[in-house]
Amino acid sequence: GENVEQHPSTLSVQEGDSAVIKCTYSDSASNYFPWYKQELGKGSQLIIDIRSNVGEKKDQRIAVTLNKTAKHFSLHITETQPEDSAVYFCAAKDSGGYQKVTFGTGTKLQVIP
Amino acid sequence: DGGITQSPKYLFRKEGQNVTLSCEQNLNHDAMYWYRQDPGQGLRLIYYSQIVNDFQKGDIAEGYSVSREKKESFPLTVTSAQKNPTAFYLCASSSGTANTEAFFGQGTRLTVV
Repeated sequence: GENVEQHPSTLSVQEGDSAVIKCTYSDSASNYFPWYKQELGKGSQLIIDIRSNVGEKKDQRIAVTLNKTAKHFSLHITETQPEDSAVYFCAAKDSGGYQKVTFGTGTKLQVIP
Repeated sequence: DGGITQSPKYLFRKEGQNVTLSCEQNLNHDAMYWYRQDPGQGLRLIYYSQIVNDFQKGDIAEGYSVSREKKESFPLTVTSAQKNPTAFYLCASSSGTANTEAFFGQGTRLTVV
């Protein structure tokens, strides 16, 4: 089955700096890679996703890159703000019949004002 | 409004008792998932279901049971066989087709006393 590893588990950055979170996956059949932001009391919400036929996607201060050959993908947050502080999860979704979604272990991001 | 609803938000259970967590969605999604979240462990898949009357074990299914009698509902029962049931439980749903995101409920925090 799919195995998703995520690093680092915690990350502290100064406000305005960039933050990078990296994930690797094991199943080459996975073709969809979403990132979720989990805030206390607000649940988990999708912030950006990337499909296997794309190498990079950007949405304002957030970008995701995918290297299918190496089976890793990364989340990049630029010009970080205190409200970016949250737990971030990467995930991989397989293309098989059951569309199973496997998550990474999460990264707690703290942006220091 | 469309969404996915988990109830209750907080649940206390005496050791040795079974308890059922509710998950309902009105998004017309085929796929539904149950995850368990523990500190430092991220989201681990308990069970998932792609269609009504069908479900598959995830990575940590022991001590849990589910049913999928209706498309909208995917209740999770934490049985007395689950050795460490205190955790945060998240339900999710997705359309089941390729390259689509999962939507999450707000979660249920279960505490065994």
